[in-house]
Amino acid sequence: KAGVTQTPRYLIKTRGQQVTLSCSPISGHRSVSWYQQTPGQGLQFLFEYFSETQRNKGNFPGRFSGRQFSNSRSEMNVSTLELGDSALYLCASSQPREFGNNEQFFGPGTRLTVL
Amino acid sequence: AQSVTQLDSHVSVSEGTPVLLRCNYSSSYSPSLFWYVQHPNKGLQLLLKYTSAATLVKGINGFEAEFKKSETSFHLTKPSAHMSDAAEYFCVVSASGYSTLTFGKGTMLLVSP
Repeated sequence: KAGVTQTPRYLIKTRGQQVTLSCSPISGHRSVSWYQQTPGQGLQFLFEYFSETQRNKGNFPGRFSGRQFSNSRSEMNVSTLELGDSALYLCASSQPREFGNNEQFFGPGTRLTVL
Repeated sequence: AQSVTQLDSHVSVSEGTPVLLRCNYSSSYSPSLFWYVQHPNKGLQLLLKYTSAATLVKGINGFEAEFKKSETSFHLTKPSAHMSDAAEYFCVVSASGYSTLTFGKGTMLLVSP
């Protein structure tokens, strides 16, 4: 079974631009979560999607948004980029929590650098 | 609310000696607990998980962890370190049955020859 894939792996943007990151979950997984990893703040939860609906959201400004498609693939978007948005963005997929298994499988991440 | 405290930001061991990475948690709910490992420029890999079954959990690559409710701890151990174990390790908690993970700050494990 293929793992979680994220594209692109590396991205360089300038302040004020916007960016879209993509995540394809493991086949059969319907829940996708996004996390931001920075040296200062560590790993922080951004949001979770299931069946094209956002189920949970972390404490991030509205510039961070996401969506999920009918095939469970997910995208996250960051508008009006700031230098502090430079981070590794990790996507994780899992079975729905109703299945009783909340184990998450992580992709390799997208390294975003904002100049 | 839930939180995780990893008691050491860095741990240095020699190859062949035991490893102990310490983690304390706080959770309002019956928790699920995980240890993940992250090698440089890689994503996170699950080492092991506790989900209210056996308190001693065995994971991959010889790692194990013991859930101690009275001490709210979930320390990670390995009898003999290998050079390939050098990486950053994260202790993680979630409310049982819920997807959102709360991560500790991480412990960097350094292994010297």
